[in-house]
Amino acid sequence: AQSVTQLGSHVSVSEGALVLLRCNYSSSVPPYLFWYVQYPNQGLQLLLKYTSAATLVKGINGFEAEFKKSETSFHLTKPSAHMSDAAEYFCAVSGYKGGSQGNLIFGKGTKLSVKP
Amino acid sequence: ETGVTQTPRHLVMGMTNKKSLKCEQHLGHNAMYWYKQSAKKPLELMFVYSLEERVENNSVPSRFSPECPNSSHLFLHLHTLQPEDSALYLCASSQTHTPSYEQYFGPGTRLTVT
Repeated sequence: AQSVTQLGSHVSVSEGALVLLRCNYSSSVPPYLFWYVQYPNQGLQLLLKYTSAATLVKGINGFEAEFKKSETSFHLTKPSAHMSDAAEYFCAVSGYKGGSQGNLIFGKGTKLSVKP
Repeated sequence: ETGVTQTPRHLVMGMTNKKSLKCEQHLGHNAMYWYKQSAKKPLELMFVYSLEERVENNSVPSRFSPECPNSSHLFLHLHTLQPEDSALYLCASSQTHTPSYEQYFGPGTRLTVT
């Protein structure tokens, strides 16, 4: 079975500081990995996705994530936080296995706060 | 309209009411999804439709009834709901129901059951 663990339900950083949101996955098949962002009262927006083409994936709004198979991790980073980055971030995994292929398995989310 | 739209954005209903949530995607996708998002719980996949056929039903109570009349529209019919059904209901679509394709989400319907 596939699963996602996001370490830290809340992360707080200062404006201009590094953002690091952690995601570890479990999958018995090669995974496809996604990061989504959700702003208050909105749906989820795709930040970036990993589909085995390159281990370092660049996304929108200056975010990037690195796929590390040995660590089963897909952490999200941004060099310098902006106030507008305050939101909830979700990591998700999918893969070709059984009848549930194509379904996204989401982590519980991490709320990012940015202090001025 | 672009992307995935959902109506209504907010809904308050009593436990004996019948209502429907509507989702429309303008992306030409072939797969559509309903999710439930409750506080402090991971997103729960409720239903999956691929090419207008239901391919997944994750043990959802029968008081939730999905309908997919065509590949662009998805409905969630609600009846005799419980207060614990209060949540944000999100609709999503993807090009096909395969792992490499990302899902695009609508803004959600905030449902309150009184």
